[in-house]
Amino acid sequence: AQKITQTQPGMFVQEKEAVTLDCTYDTSDQSYGLFWYKQPSSGEMIFLIYQGSYDEQNATEGRYSLNFQKARKSANLVISASQLGDSAMYFCAMREPLTNNAGNMLTFGGGTRLMVKP
Amino acid sequence: DSGVTQTPKHLITATGQRVTLRCSPRSGDLSVYWYQQSLDQGLQFLIQYYNGEERAKGNILERFSAQQFPDLHSELNLSSLELGDSALYFCASSARTGWSNEQFFGPGTRLTVL
Repeated sequence: AQKITQTQPGMFVQEKEAVTLDCTYDTSDQSYGLFWYKQPSSGEMIFLIYQGSYDEQNATEGRYSLNFQKARKSANLVISASQLGDSAMYFCAMREPLTNNAGNMLTFGGGTRLMVKP
Repeated sequence: DSGVTQTPKHLITATGQRVTLRCSPRSGDLSVYWYQQSLDQGLQFLIQYYNGEERAKGNILERFSAQQFPDLHSELNLSSLELGDSALYFCASSARTGWSNEQFFGPGTRLTVL
């Protein structure tokens, strides 16, 4: 079963406007972490923002914020004041603790390609 | 720059061959993770090592193996290569195994199997 779903394969946004990238997840654990990564055309994976399942406040990092709705199991990324350099693939990922906390792999969604128009 | 280094950046080889991908984690990070990114499978976790020991295994084929050395660098060995093994292979590292720690990714090794 797919654990991370990103329903928007591609999106356009006008430069300087805000954009929301959707992410829903599925887990039966109470403790988990949610991450967003950016992958520009050069290929590297850049960590953007993290939200813990017990965090009461939505995470923010500069122009990035995470709209965390635990009951809906959604963790949408909001990018404010889009810039041309924001054009990239964006991946939502989840970490669930294994039963003995031995490993911490990330499960990724399929990604959303964001294109910022000048 | 994440601080994670991977070599080589590109690798072109033939079916049936064996290759080794190398990763050096960020200074002080004890955990190393390997991921495969392909067009049909997306980004998939392969295996994790923590301070030299295997900690978690994902969708890693039996033809693939990995290890983490005492200096904490890691190598991913891919053998009997098939066309479908062509992918971008990422190494990531984190400070501990705690589930709240973010993973920092290296630039990746792009493997092309002809």
